[in-house]
Amino acid sequence: DAGVTQTPRHEVAEKGQTIILKCEPVSGHNDLFWYRQTKIQGLELLSYFRSKSLMEDGGAFKDRFKAEMLNSSFSTLKIQPTEPKDSAVYLCASSGQGSGNTLYFGEGSRLIVV
Amino acid sequence: GDSVTQTEGLVTLTEGLPVMLNCTYQSTYSPFLFWYVQHLNEAPKLLLKSFTDNKRPEHQGFHATLHKSSSSFHLQKSSAQLSDSALYYCALSDRDYGSSGNKLIFGIGTLLSVKP
Repeated sequence: DAGVTQTPRHEVAEKGQTIILKCEPVSGHNDLFWYRQTKIQGLELLSYFRSKSLMEDGGAFKDRFKAEMLNSSFSTLKIQPTEPKDSAVYLCASSGQGSGNTLYFGEGSRLIVV
Repeated sequence: GDSVTQTEGLVTLTEGLPVMLNCTYQSTYSPFLFWYVQHLNEAPKLLLKSFTDNKRPEHQGFHATLHKSSSSFHLQKSSAQLSDSALYYCALSDRDYGSSGNKLIFGIGTLLSVKP
């Protein structure tokens, strides 16, 4: 079975650019999450979808971050405009009601904003 | 709101010594607790999960006991191995799937470094 797939794995952007990160969840999973990973804050929840509906949109990230789930097998995270403080690893994870609360993570997209 | 606290950012051990990584939590309800492990350049993956019947979960020599009285779920292992070097996250989720789904709230993580 395919796990969670994230692209691109690495992205370098200039300040002010728009970047789009992509995620394909595990087939059949209903829940999809976007997390930001930094050494200082750990894993912070950006967005949470259940059956394609947005359930939670992390308050501090609403301003320039927008996640969408166009269909059950694809999600995007847009950051517009990017700032140097957005440099981090962005992790996508999925879960299903039958997976016993277990989240399956992708390997992440490492973003560097210069 | 719910939260998870991991007090150690970095734990450095010599191979063969016991491991204990601290995790405490705050939650309105009685949540599930988890430990996730992330090796270098890999995705985080589930290591342990608390059981509903209070059995002690174990995996790859690691175990953790949920103590509701102290709101703790510390991760332990009797003898550290070099391959245990990784980033460890403690997390919690609401038991009510209907309200929160499988959303996890994570601590900031503890980096375990095992030296020869």
